[in-house]
Amino acid sequence: NAGVTQTPKFQVLKTGQSMTLQCAQDMNHEYMSWYRQDPGMGLRLIHYSVGAGITDQGEVPNGYNVSRSTTEDFPLRLLSAAPSQTSVYFCASSSDRSSGNTIYFGEGSWLTVV
Amino acid sequence: AQSVTQLDSQVPVFEEAPVELRCNYSSSVSVYLFWYVQYPNQGLQLLLKYLSGSTLVKGINGFEAEFNKSQTSFHLRKPSVHISDTAEYFCAVRASRLRSGDKLTFGTGTRLAVRP
Repeated sequence: NAGVTQTPKFQVLKTGQSMTLQCAQDMNHEYMSWYRQDPGMGLRLIHYSVGAGITDQGEVPNGYNVSRSTTEDFPLRLLSAAPSQTSVYFCASSSDRSSGNTIYFGEGSWLTVV
Repeated sequence: AQSVTQLDSQVPVFEEAPVELRCNYSSSVSVYLFWYVQYPNQGLQLLLKYLSGSTLVKGINGFEAEFNKSQTSFHLRKPSVHISDTAEYFCAVRASRLRSGDKLTFGTGTRLAVRP
């Protein structure tokens, strides 16, 4: 069981470049989300989705786009990378909107913007 | 909205000693509480969670946590730590009734460093 799979694991971008972080889950989870992790700040929610075709903004959405065309995939797009987007990105999923259900995390994507 | 405070950014401890990692939360609604562990260069793994019932929750790897509603705390404990427990630990909270925009709110993390 692969769980939540993120690619790439490591990426270096130049300022102004665009890229997509891929996230896929094989657990048929409805709820998916993207977080970024920065030193001393814990994890902050970027965008989330409660099902295919439905997305919404989290705490720090600026500079990021998402779409949810299928239940399995939830890609995160950086439109024009900035050094402030250097971070570790985590994709997560859970089975439904019941807030007691466990949220499963991918292994992270380390992004550096130079 | 909810907030989580982990006052200790680092906790050094000797192997086989007991440890307590502190977590306090703030919320105007009832919440569920979680502890996650992150080993170096890895994702987050759920240690334990409190949803309802007994306030003492047991998790994986010998960890336990106690929910204290009056003190709005959810401290994590282990009676005897091992070198392999060296990791970053995150406390998180989520509203027990989801509404639009509700999310998992994390604390800033506590780095547990176990020394031989």
